[in-house]
Amino acid sequence: EAGVAQSPRYKIIEKRQSVAFWCNPISGHATLYWYQQILGQGPKLLIQFQNNGVVDDSQLPKDRFSAERLKGVDSTLKIQPAKLEDSAVYLCASSPRVRWDEQYFGPGTRLTVT
Amino acid sequence: GQQLNQSPQSMFIQEGEDVSMNCTSSSIFNTWLWYKQDPGEGPVLLIALYKAGELTSNGRLTAQFGITRKDSFLNISASIPSDVGIYFCAGPYSGAGSYQLTFGKGTKLSVIP
Repeated sequence: EAGVAQSPRYKIIEKRQSVAFWCNPISGHATLYWYQQILGQGPKLLIQFQNNGVVDDSQLPKDRFSAERLKGVDSTLKIQPAKLEDSAVYLCASSPRVRWDEQYFGPGTRLTVT
Repeated sequence: GQQLNQSPQSMFIQEGEDVSMNCTSSSIFNTWLWYKQDPGEGPVLLIALYKAGELTSNGRLTAQFGITRKDSFLNISASIPSDVGIYFCAGPYSGAGSYQLTFGKGTKLSVIP
């Protein structure tokens, strides 16, 4: 069974530029999560989707971050405009249902903002 | 948000040694999860704990759910080089009304062959 796919794996941009990350979850997984992991920290949830609806986006900086999951499968996370403090690894995870012990993580996208 | 405090932050051990690390919280948790993250990869679930006092093993790994429900412990016996990585504890925490999986800052393990 294929795992969670993410692209790109690495991205370097200048501050005030925009960037987008893509995630393809495990086939059949209804729930999709985006996490931000700053160096030296654990992952922090940004947004959670159930199919194509948002379940929780309470920690998403909505003035600059947006995410969508239009057909309930793939998802994109966008930052516009980027700030230096957005430098982090952005992890996508999926689960067949909302269960804490069934989240499978992708390899992440490492973003560097200069 | 809820803080999960992991200790130690990092450790260097000789191959073959046993390892212990822990995670504490000021709040009660009903589930404790332990993950391992290799460089350039996402976290992988190692062990899940669901009841206070529960002791669960996965090969050379053993984890315990503290009786107070505010802490958890992970032990690795007879460490090998592939145990190198960052170990995270995590649990569901309700901040602004909805439950989110909250992670500690991790314990970085280095194994000297």
